[in-house]
Amino acid sequence: RKEVEQDPGPFNVPEGATVAFNCTYSNSASQSFFWYRQDCRKEPKLLMSVYSSGNEDGRFTAQLNRASQYISLLIRDSKLSDSATYLCVVNGGRGSTLGRLYFGRGTQLTVWP
Amino acid sequence: EAGVAQSPRYKIIEKRQSVAFWCNPISGHATLYWYQQILGQGPKLLIQFQNNGVVDDSQLPKDRFSAERLKGVDSTLKIQPAKLEDSAVYLCASSLSWGVLSEQFFGPGTRLTVL
Repeated sequence: RKEVEQDPGPFNVPEGATVAFNCTYSNSASQSFFWYRQDCRKEPKLLMSVYSSGNEDGRFTAQLNRASQYISLLIRDSKLSDSATYLCVVNGGRGSTLGRLYFGRGTQLTVWP
Repeated sequence: EAGVAQSPRYKIIEKRQSVAFWCNPISGHATLYWYQQILGQGPKLLIQFQNNGVVDDSQLPKDRFSAERLKGVDSTLKIQPAKLEDSAVYLCASSLSWGVLSEQFFGPGTRLTVL
């Protein structure tokens, strides 16, 4: 079983739409959670960290459910510039893998005018 | 502030040949990472350095891959000999310190095609 599972999409939505991405992780000892954004043929960049209480950054809201080992990202009022691949990222959790990040395969989003 | 630099940006080789990639991290970043990203997948960690010491190389295929960071700054990743399945983007990242709370900054990557 993969450490991080994501629906690869693609998600195609009109400008102004609300879209949600989900991912699940397998290691219950994982302690740190992130969403990264990767534009086509570019490097990944940190979008936001995900905290237990949930957190919001402008139009982006991240949620964590430790009991279900489930992470979500909600994008409100989608912009054309939001078109990218969104990577769910989780740390290893314990021992030698504590500092290691595990990336999901990413969910592709296209926002059309 | 200058970002993570990598070279070359593209490389095409035939199987069984050797290839090397170079990375210069952000100035002052003690931790350096090499990732492999196969098309359609997320990045996978190959090796992590803290200064010039290896922290984690458990996912590095050591029969053909090697990496070094001799002076704790620049790093080189080598593949010898290359196989078709090594075709991927090789990403270098750096962070101020070791640990997941230290944000990782990625370079533009080297896109390797093995024919």
